[in-house]
Amino acid sequence: GQNIDQPTEMTATEGAIVQINCTYQTSGFNGLFWYQQHAGEAPTFLSYNVLDGLEEKGRFSSFLSRSKGYSYLLLKELQMKDSASYLCAVLDSNYQLIWGAGTKLIIKP
Amino acid sequence: GAVVSQHPSWVICKSGTSVKIECRSLDFQATTMFWYRQFPKQSLMLMATSNEGSKATYEQGVEKDKFLINHASLTLSTLTVTSAHPEDSSFYICSARDLGDESQPQHFGDGTRLSIL
Repeated sequence: GQNIDQPTEMTATEGAIVQINCTYQTSGFNGLFWYQQHAGEAPTFLSYNVLDGLEEKGRFSSFLSRSKGYSYLLLKELQMKDSASYLCAVLDSNYQLIWGAGTKLIIKP
Repeated sequence: GAVVSQHPSWVICKSGTSVKIECRSLDFQATTMFWYRQFPKQSLMLMATSNEGSKATYEQGVEKDKFLINHASLTLSTLTVTSAHPEDSSFYICSARDLGDESQPQHFGDGTRLSIL
């Protein structure tokens, strides 16, 4: 079966760095995506990795290792507005998104 | 970038009412649209995949007679929750696939919060 695992909840301090991990086992792989979702809102796209390595976009970076079935989202200089759920999703061989359950990130002052 | 418009954003209605939610791709043609449901503090759950001009593909456990999906054009898909009951209260989100955009697999609407009294 297809499976994506990520921690349920994480807590970090404003101004700090946090890394959210995601491991996956899917039928094929056509890319891994990270989305941010604030409560009561639709997900918003953060990043896309299809090749191994690190993709940096401002305060957010995403890393992928296809051989390990592993990705992480790195958030630097945390701000209170970063409190949200972060969803890891993999595009499988049928180009269907397989979603993780999401990681709720709590930022404390 | 690609925009998906979802309407209405909020619906409150009596039990037994049927509710229609629209999902439109505004600046691209979407042969495939997706309907998700999300209960509080839970992740997105794919309900069905909607293909233009053909029947929707429903996920296991989703009643196709309860959740009617129509995708009659390349820019519009609708989800109708028939005879809604309080347990159908949820956040419904649509997304559309833009084949011309390889950087994002799906573009999301803003969601519809459905509350059945």
